[in-house]
Amino acid sequence: DAGVIQSPRHEVTEMGQEVTLRCKPISGHNSLFWYRQTMMRGLELLIYFNNNVPIDDSGMPEDRFSAKMPNASFSTLKIQPSEPRDSAVYFCASSSTGYGYTFGSGTRLTVV
Amino acid sequence: AQTVTQSQPEMSVQEAETVTLSCTYDTSESDYYLFWYKQPPSRQMILVIRQEAYKQQNATENRFSVNFQKAAKSFSLKISDSQLGDAAMYFCAYRSGNQGGKLIFGQGTELSVKP
Repeated sequence: DAGVIQSPRHEVTEMGQEVTLRCKPISGHNSLFWYRQTMMRGLELLIYFNNNVPIDDSGMPEDRFSAKMPNASFSTLKIQPSEPRDSAVYFCASSSTGYGYTFGSGTRLTVV
Repeated sequence: AQTVTQSQPEMSVQEAETVTLSCTYDTSESDYYLFWYKQPPSRQMILVIRQEAYKQQNATENRFSVNFQKAAKSFSLKISDSQLGDAAMYFCAYRSGNQGGKLIFGQGTELSVKP
């Protein structure tokens, strides 16, 4: 198993541009989580899905952020328009039973 | 709401020695899970150990063990025979017993290992 696959690994974009982060969970896992990691705020849950349905999006900072999971094997996190304060590492994780979570390698986003 | 607190931003240990990282949590639930994750400079999140709240026996994984005190809501991680490769950020995390629940993380403890 290739694990949770995130792309891109690094992203540098200019303020105001649209950014799309991608995640492929482990096959068979029915829960998917998006986390953001910053020095100031640590690891924050942005949103999570069960069986492709968004369950809790209370961590999504504002309307500029949106996430989708069109099928069991793919999810996106979009930021439009991006701002410098969005700079962070974004992790995707998946789980089958909630007993074990597998994290992707993260996307380091820099907005200049 | 549940919270997880790691009161030690940084810890240091001599190679081959033992170190204990602290974690406390707050919850009104009786069914939950606790985890320790390791994040080396590569930033990959690696599961170190996990504990079910209903189990009284402390979890152990090779050189890693926990001291789970349910009444005190404490979940410390002990690393024995520390190795240079143990140097990393360590995160304590909580998960409600509800299936598919989210992980709530502490602030992390940066562990350095001195040769």
